[in-house]
Amino acid sequence: GEEVAQTPKHLVRGEGQKAKLYCAPIKGHSYVFWYQQVLKNEFKFLISFQNENVFDETGMPKERFSAKCLPNSPCSLEIQATKLEDSAVYFCASSQLAGGATKNIQYFGAGTRLSVL
Amino acid sequence: RKEVEQDPGPFNVPEGATVAFNCTYSNSASQSFFWYRQDCRKEPKLLMSVYSSGNEDGRFTAQLNRASQYISLLIRDSKLSDSATYLCVVPEGYGGSQGNLIFGKGTKLSVKP
Repeated sequence: GEEVAQTPKHLVRGEGQKAKLYCAPIKGHSYVFWYQQVLKNEFKFLISFQNENVFDETGMPKERFSAKCLPNSPCSLEIQATKLEDSAVYFCASSQLAGGATKNIQYFGAGTRLSVL
Repeated sequence: RKEVEQDPGPFNVPEGATVAFNCTYSNSASQSFFWYRQDCRKEPKLLMSVYSSGNEDGRFTAQLNRASQYISLLIRDSKLSDSATYLCVVPEGYGGSQGNLIFGKGTKLSVKP
Protein backbone atom coordinates (compact mmCIF):
# COMPACT_ATOMS: atom_id res chain seq x y z
CA GLY A 1 0.00 0.00 0.00
CA GLU A 2 0.87 3.66 -0.13
CA GLU A 3 0.96 4.09 3.61
CA VAL A 4 1.95 2.16 6.71
CA ALA A 5 -1.19 0.53 8.05
CA GLN A 6 -1.45 -0.28 11.74
CA THR A 7 -4.27 -2.13 13.46
CA PRO A 8 -6.02 -1.84 15.76
CA LYS A 9 -6.11 1.90 16.45
CA HIS A 10 -6.87 1.34 20.11
CA LEU A 11 -6.46 -1.76 22.25
CA VAL A 12 -7.60 -2.12 25.86
CA ARG A 13 -6.30 -4.98 27.98
CA GLY A 14 -6.46 -5.95 31.61
CA GLU A 15 -3.17 -6.56 33.37
CA GLY A 16 -1.87 -9.99 32.55
CA GLN A 17 -3.70 -10.28 29.23
CA LYS A 18 -2.02 -10.63 25.86
CA ALA A 19 -1.88 -7.82 23.32
CA LYS A 20 -1.12 -8.21 19.64
CA LEU A 21 -0.50 -5.31 17.27
CA TYR A 22 -0.20 -5.41 13.50
CA CYS A 23 1.65 -3.41 10.89
CA ALA A 24 1.64 -3.55 7.10
CA PRO A 25 4.58 -1.59 5.65
CA ILE A 26 4.51 0.50 2.50
CA LYS A 27 4.74 -1.74 -0.55
CA GLY A 28 8.33 -2.07 -1.68
CA HIS A 29 9.83 -1.13 1.68
CA SER A 30 12.22 -3.74 3.04
CA TYR A 31 12.61 -2.43 6.58
CA VAL A 32 10.10 -2.29 9.39
CA PHE A 33 10.70 -0.57 12.73
CA TRP A 34 8.67 -0.64 15.94
CA TYR A 35 8.78 2.26 18.41
CA GLN A 36 7.04 2.81 21.71
CA GLN A 37 5.96 6.33 22.70
CA VAL A 38 5.12 6.84 26.33
CA LEU A 39 4.10 10.04 28.11
CA LYS A 40 6.21 13.19 27.65
CA ASN A 41 6.89 12.33 24.01
CA GLU A 42 9.65 9.85 24.72
CA PHE A 43 10.14 7.48 21.82
CA LYS A 44 11.85 4.17 22.43
CA PHE A 45 13.10 1.94 19.62
CA LEU A 46 12.04 -1.68 20.10
CA ILE A 47 12.98 -3.83 17.11
CA SER A 48 13.53 -3.69 13.35
CA PHE A 49 13.22 -6.18 10.51
CA GLN A 50 14.77 -6.51 7.09
CA ASN A 51 12.03 -8.35 5.28
CA GLU A 52 11.30 -11.31 7.57
CA ASN A 53 14.67 -11.25 9.35
CA VAL A 54 15.34 -9.47 12.62
CA PHE A 55 17.68 -6.57 11.81
CA ASP A 56 18.17 -5.02 15.24
CA GLU A 57 16.48 -6.11 18.46
CA THR A 58 18.59 -4.16 20.92
CA GLY A 59 15.59 -2.19 22.21
CA MET A 60 13.31 -5.15 22.77
CA PRO A 61 12.51 -5.98 26.39
CA LYS A 62 13.89 -9.45 27.18
CA GLU A 63 10.65 -10.73 28.58
CA ARG A 64 7.06 -10.65 27.39
CA PHE A 65 7.70 -8.86 24.06
CA SER A 66 8.07 -10.65 20.76
CA ALA A 67 7.72 -9.63 17.11
CA LYS A 68 7.56 -11.24 13.69
CA CYS A 69 7.45 -10.28 10.04
CA LEU A 70 6.34 -13.25 7.96
CA PRO A 71 6.06 -13.33 4.16
CA ASN A 72 2.69 -12.20 2.81
CA SER A 73 1.42 -11.23 6.28
CA PRO A 74 1.41 -8.02 8.30
CA CYS A 75 4.22 -7.72 10.81
CA SER A 76 3.15 -8.22 14.43
CA LEU A 77 4.25 -7.12 17.88
CA GLU A 78 2.98 -9.24 20.75
CA ILE A 79 3.07 -8.52 24.45
CA GLN A 80 2.42 -11.43 26.76
CA ALA A 81 1.04 -10.72 30.24
CA THR A 82 0.71 -6.96 29.82
CA LYS A 83 1.63 -4.62 32.64
CA LEU A 84 0.41 -1.12 33.45
CA GLU A 85 3.72 0.36 32.23
CA ASP A 86 3.14 -1.13 28.77
CA SER A 87 0.44 1.52 28.22
CA ALA A 88 1.75 3.61 25.34
CA VAL A 89 1.30 4.34 21.66
CA TYR A 90 3.15 1.80 19.53
CA PHE A 91 4.26 3.14 16.17
CA CYS A 92 5.43 1.12 13.23
CA ALA A 93 7.57 2.70 10.51
CA SER A 94 8.92 1.41 7.22
CA SER A 95 11.73 2.46 4.90
CA GLN A 96 13.32 1.31 1.67
CA LEU A 97 16.77 1.06 3.23
CA ALA A 98 18.24 1.24 6.73
CA GLY A 99 21.26 3.40 5.99
CA GLY A 100 22.62 5.88 3.49
CA ALA A 101 20.82 8.95 2.32
CA THR A 102 17.34 9.58 1.04
CA LYS A 103 16.09 6.01 0.97
CA ASN A 104 16.46 5.62 4.73
CA ILE A 105 13.55 7.96 5.44
CA GLN A 106 11.10 6.25 7.76
CA TYR A 107 7.37 6.67 7.25
CA PHE A 108 5.16 6.09 10.24
CA GLY A 109 1.81 4.43 10.68
CA ALA A 110 -0.94 6.06 12.73
CA GLY A 111 -0.03 3.97 15.76
CA THR A 112 -1.84 1.64 18.12
CA ARG A 113 -2.77 3.09 21.49
CA LEU A 114 -2.49 0.33 24.10
CA SER A 115 -4.24 0.94 27.39
CA VAL A 116 -3.55 -1.57 30.14
CA LEU A 117 -6.03 -1.34 33.00
CA ARG B 1 23.76 5.55 24.35
CA LYS B 2 23.43 8.15 21.62
CA GLU B 3 21.38 11.17 22.68
CA VAL B 4 19.40 13.92 21.01
CA GLU B 5 18.61 16.97 23.11
CA GLN B 6 16.00 19.63 22.44
CA ASP B 7 14.48 22.54 24.32
CA PRO B 8 10.98 21.27 25.23
CA GLY B 9 9.39 24.72 25.06
CA PRO B 10 6.57 25.52 24.84
CA PHE B 11 7.20 28.29 22.37
CA ASN B 12 4.15 30.56 22.25
CA VAL B 13 4.37 32.93 19.30
CA PRO B 14 1.95 35.17 17.39
CA GLU B 15 1.01 34.49 13.80
CA GLY B 16 3.62 35.81 11.42
CA ALA B 17 6.49 35.45 13.85
CA THR B 18 9.79 33.76 13.09
CA VAL B 19 10.77 31.02 15.50
CA ALA B 20 13.86 28.83 15.74
CA PHE B 21 14.38 25.49 17.45
CA ASN B 22 17.72 24.00 18.35
CA CYS B 23 18.87 20.44 18.72
CA THR B 24 22.17 18.86 19.73
CA TYR B 25 23.17 15.28 19.05
CA SER B 26 25.92 13.05 20.38
CA ASN B 27 26.45 10.61 17.47
CA SER B 28 29.28 12.29 15.55
CA ALA B 29 29.09 9.56 12.87
CA SER B 30 25.55 10.47 11.79
CA GLN B 31 25.24 11.43 8.13
CA SER B 32 21.57 12.28 7.97
CA PHE B 33 19.26 14.26 10.20
CA PHE B 34 15.54 14.78 10.27
CA TRP B 35 12.90 17.09 11.62
CA TYR B 36 9.53 15.41 12.10
CA ARG B 37 6.33 17.09 13.12
CA GLN B 38 3.87 15.40 15.48
CA ASP B 39 0.34 16.66 16.05
CA CYS B 40 -1.42 15.77 19.27
CA ARG B 41 -0.27 12.10 19.67
CA LYS B 42 -0.69 11.34 15.97
CA GLU B 43 2.11 9.77 13.97
CA PRO B 44 5.32 11.71 13.32
CA LYS B 45 5.41 13.13 9.82
CA LEU B 46 8.62 14.06 8.07
CA LEU B 47 9.05 17.80 7.77
CA MET B 48 12.62 18.09 6.53
CA SER B 49 15.67 15.92 5.99
CA VAL B 50 19.21 17.30 6.15
CA TYR B 51 22.19 15.54 4.57
CA SER B 52 24.69 18.37 4.15
CA SER B 53 24.90 21.83 5.64
CA GLY B 54 21.25 22.68 5.38
CA ASN B 55 17.97 22.53 3.57
CA GLU B 56 15.23 25.02 2.77
CA ASP B 57 11.61 24.32 1.88
CA GLY B 58 9.33 27.33 1.69
CA ARG B 59 8.99 28.87 5.14
CA PHE B 60 11.16 26.19 6.73
CA THR B 61 14.96 26.16 6.90
CA ALA B 62 17.10 23.53 8.58
CA GLN B 63 20.77 24.19 9.31
CA LEU B 64 23.42 21.65 10.29
CA ASN B 65 26.65 22.42 12.10
CA ARG B 66 28.65 19.17 12.20
CA ALA B 67 31.55 20.66 14.19
CA SER B 68 29.20 21.63 17.01
CA GLN B 69 26.85 18.64 16.45
CA TYR B 70 23.94 21.01 16.28
CA ILE B 71 20.87 21.24 14.06
CA SER B 72 18.37 24.06 13.92
CA LEU B 73 14.92 24.53 12.42
CA LEU B 74 13.72 27.99 11.47
CA ILE B 75 10.07 28.68 10.72
CA ARG B 76 9.28 32.02 9.10
CA ASP B 77 5.86 33.69 8.94
CA SER B 78 4.31 31.23 11.43
CA LYS B 79 0.79 30.01 10.72
CA LEU B 80 -1.79 28.71 13.19
CA SER B 81 -1.43 25.34 11.46
CA ASP B 82 2.25 25.19 12.45
CA SER B 83 1.19 24.50 16.05
CA ALA B 84 2.61 21.06 16.81
CA THR B 85 5.51 19.30 18.47
CA TYR B 86 8.71 19.30 16.42
CA LEU B 87 10.95 16.27 16.83
CA CYS B 88 14.66 16.32 16.11
CA VAL B 89 15.62 12.84 14.91
CA VAL B 90 19.02 11.27 14.27
CA PRO B 91 19.67 7.71 13.05
CA GLU B 92 21.78 5.55 15.33
CA GLY B 93 25.04 3.95 14.20
CA TYR B 94 27.62 4.96 11.62
CA GLY B 95 26.02 6.74 8.69
CA GLY B 96 22.67 5.64 10.05
CA SER B 97 23.58 2.06 9.24
CA GLN B 98 21.78 0.68 12.26
CA GLY B 99 18.68 2.25 10.91
CA ASN B 100 16.72 2.92 14.07
CA LEU B 101 16.01 6.52 14.94
CA ILE B 102 16.91 8.38 18.11
CA PHE B 103 14.29 10.99 18.91
CA GLY B 104 14.60 14.17 20.89
CA LYS B 105 11.79 14.75 23.35
CA GLY B 106 10.32 17.37 21.03
CA THR B 107 9.76 21.11 21.11
CA LYS B 108 6.17 22.24 21.44
CA LEU B 109 5.12 25.21 19.32
CA SER B 110 1.87 27.08 19.82
CA VAL B 111 1.03 29.80 17.29
CA LYS B 112 -1.62 32.25 18.50
CA PRO B 113 -3.86 34.55 16.43
